[in-house]
Amino acid sequence: NAGVTQTPKFQVLKTGQSMTLQCAQDMNHEYMSWYRQDPGMGLRLIHYSVGAGITDQGEVPNGYNVSRSTTEDFPLRLLSAAPSQTSVYFCASSYVRDRGNEQYFGPGTRLTVT
Amino acid sequence: AQKITQTQPGMFVQEKEAVTLDCTYDTSDQSYGLFWYKQPSSGEMIFLIYQGSYDEQNATEGRYSLNFQKARKSANLVISASQLGDSAMYFCAMREIDFGNEKLTFGTGTRLTIIP
Repeated sequence: NAGVTQTPKFQVLKTGQSMTLQCAQDMNHEYMSWYRQDPGMGLRLIHYSVGAGITDQGEVPNGYNVSRSTTEDFPLRLLSAAPSQTSVYFCASSYVRDRGNEQYFGPGTRLTVT
Repeated sequence: AQKITQTQPGMFVQEKEAVTLDCTYDTSDQSYGLFWYKQPSSGEMIFLIYQGSYDEQNATEGRYSLNFQKARKSANLVISASQLGDSAMYFCAMREIDFGNEKLTFGTGTRLTIIP
């Protein structure tokens, strides 16, 4: 198993550009989520999905879109990048409906918006 | 109100000593889960330990144990016999299911530095 993979590892965007952060998992996990990590603020939930075709907003969803057409993939789209979106982005997955299931995290994408 | 509070932004501990990282949480759910993750300087998130709200025994995983005090809503991580490789950021997190939706909320973390 590759676990949770994220691409790219690093990205620099100009303000107003759009891009998609890719996330895939091969563990057949129903639950997938995106977090952003900013200094001094821990990880904050952006969007999550409890299965293919189902997505919902987390704590900080503005400026981001997601879709879940397959169990394996959960891309995060930045529609018009802003400097405030400079952050490290983590994708995670787990089995759903069991509070004891740990979330498996991808290696992260470091995004800089200039 | 913060769902997860970690009051120690940074700690310095001598190698081989035990260390306790504090975590308090706030929820009205009866059923929830508490996690600790380690993030070394390389950036990956590493799962350490889990405690369920109905678990009567404190969770243990090797040198890690979770001191769960439900009435006080605290879930402190205890690392015994600290090692240099324990230097990292540590995050406490809580998993709730709210109206069928799952949410994992993280604290702001504690940076632990082990001194030789």
